[in-house]
Amino acid sequence: QQQVKQSPQSLIVQKGGISIINCAYENTAFDYFPWYQQFPGKGPALLIAIRPDVSEKKEGRFTISFNKSAKQFSLHIMDSQPGDSATYFCAASMHQGAQKLVFGQGTRLTINP
Amino acid sequence: ETGVTQSPTHLIKTRGQQVTLRCSSQSGHNTVSWYQQALGQGPQFIFQYYREEENGRGNFPPRFSGLQFPNYSSELNVNALELDDSALYLCASGRQGSGANVLTFGAGSRLTVL
Repeated sequence: QQQVKQSPQSLIVQKGGISIINCAYENTAFDYFPWYQQFPGKGPALLIAIRPDVSEKKEGRFTISFNKSAKQFSLHIMDSQPGDSATYFCAASMHQGAQKLVFGQGTRLTINP
Repeated sequence: ETGVTQSPTHLIKTRGQQVTLRCSSQSGHNTVSWYQQALGQGPQFIFQYYREEENGRGNFPPRFSGLQFPNYSSELNVNALELDDSALYLCASGRQGSGANVLTFGAGSRLTVL
C-alpha cells in the first residue's frame, strides 16, 4: 500500500513534442505529490509538486494532472527539449510523521533533436 | 544559500567492512533524511533525523544507523557490508513544520561493495 507505480520505464520523444509520464498510488493518506528530475551523477531535484485539493498545476512547460478518484497523477512536459533528457521520478508523502517520500521506479526520458 | 553536500563522492569497500557517509544540510533546514538508490531504481527511504533523534525509519536492518549533529549535519553508518548494499546513498534535508515535505537532495555517495 506504500507503493507508487510509475510508467513507462523509458520514453523517447521528438524535440517539440509532449512527454507524458504516469503514476498511480494506493495509500489515500498521501497528500503531497512531487516530481523529481535527476541527471546522471546528480541527486534528484524537485521539479513541480501538487496537493490533492487541485486537479492541475502548471509551471512553465511542466504540468501535473491529478485524478484523486483514480489515485493517479501524471507529468506533462510540453515542447520537450533535448535538455529535458533525464530520469524523472514521481513520489508521494504524508504531511504527518517523518518527511518520507515514496518514489516510483523512474522514467528515463530521451528527447531526440 | 548552500545546498546539500555529501562526502565521499565514491568509495569501494569489501563485504563485512563498515562505512560512514557524511552530509551537510542546506542552510535553514532542520531535518535530514537518507535514501538508498539502487541502479535503475527509485530512491528508498532509510530514515530521517530531527532534533538529533531518529524520526522515522524505512525497511532497513539495524546495521544501518545514523546521527544528526547540532549543526544539522549527519552521518550514515552501515556495518557488516553486504554486496546488495552497493548503491547511491542520497542525503536530503528539509524543514519540519514547513507544511510540505519539500526535500533538497545532495548528489550522493556511490558505494561499491566487492
